[in-house]
Amino acid sequence: QQQVKQSPQSLIVQKGGISIINCAYENTAFDYFPWYQQFPGKGPALLIAIRPDVSEKKEGRFTISFNKSAKQFSLHIMDSQPGDSATYFCAASKSQTGANNLFFGTGTRLTVIP
Amino acid sequence: GAGVSQSPRYKVAKRGQDVALRCDPISGHVSLFWYQQALGQGPEFLTYFQNEAQLDKSGLPSDRFFAERPEGSVSTLKIQRTQQEDSAVYLCASSFGRRGQPQHFGDGTRLSIL
Repeated sequence: QQQVKQSPQSLIVQKGGISIINCAYENTAFDYFPWYQQFPGKGPALLIAIRPDVSEKKEGRFTISFNKSAKQFSLHIMDSQPGDSATYFCAASKSQTGANNLFFGTGTRLTVIP
Repeated sequence: GAGVSQSPRYKVAKRGQDVALRCDPISGHVSLFWYQQALGQGPEFLTYFQNEAQLDKSGLPSDRFFAERPEGSVSTLKIQRTQQEDSAVYLCASSFGRRGQPQHFGDGTRLSIL
């Protein structure tokens, strides 16, 4: 059973546009929600993360929006660039426990067209 | 380098052979995780160590999978009597182990079972 559901599976955006990726979860014990970026042949790299006590977090061109009541969170990439073309994974963990293994979504393959 | 190092990067084995995959975590990281990433999917948790103690092995798919971290640093994931469904990328991640500390991933070992 997929604990974190992610959409869309793939996304094509023009350079300069906004890329939006959505995730949803069911387990209310989750309290840490990171986004990872993965290039082919590389491991996932942490982009940005959020806790449920805030509704939005912004770092540069990347913003996470979090809706605790809906159990949904999303990644917005502003002014998308061809170098952003990669696979993006949302994840969730129960960081309170210390054994904070991550539950990943299925990934979104983003292509930014020049 | 200062990142998580995994070796070998690629491993090809015949069905039925045993394989061993190595992970060198970031110095000082007490938590170490193994994940399995099937083609086109998100990483899935296999097992977790805090120092030398294996605290969670609930994600190991069968008793053919075994992991160890005898001195609390380098870890080895061993797969016995490999089968074709074991073909995947095996990712190692490490963290300081404190609440909310991010996991840093290696580039993985791509295992192909013929």
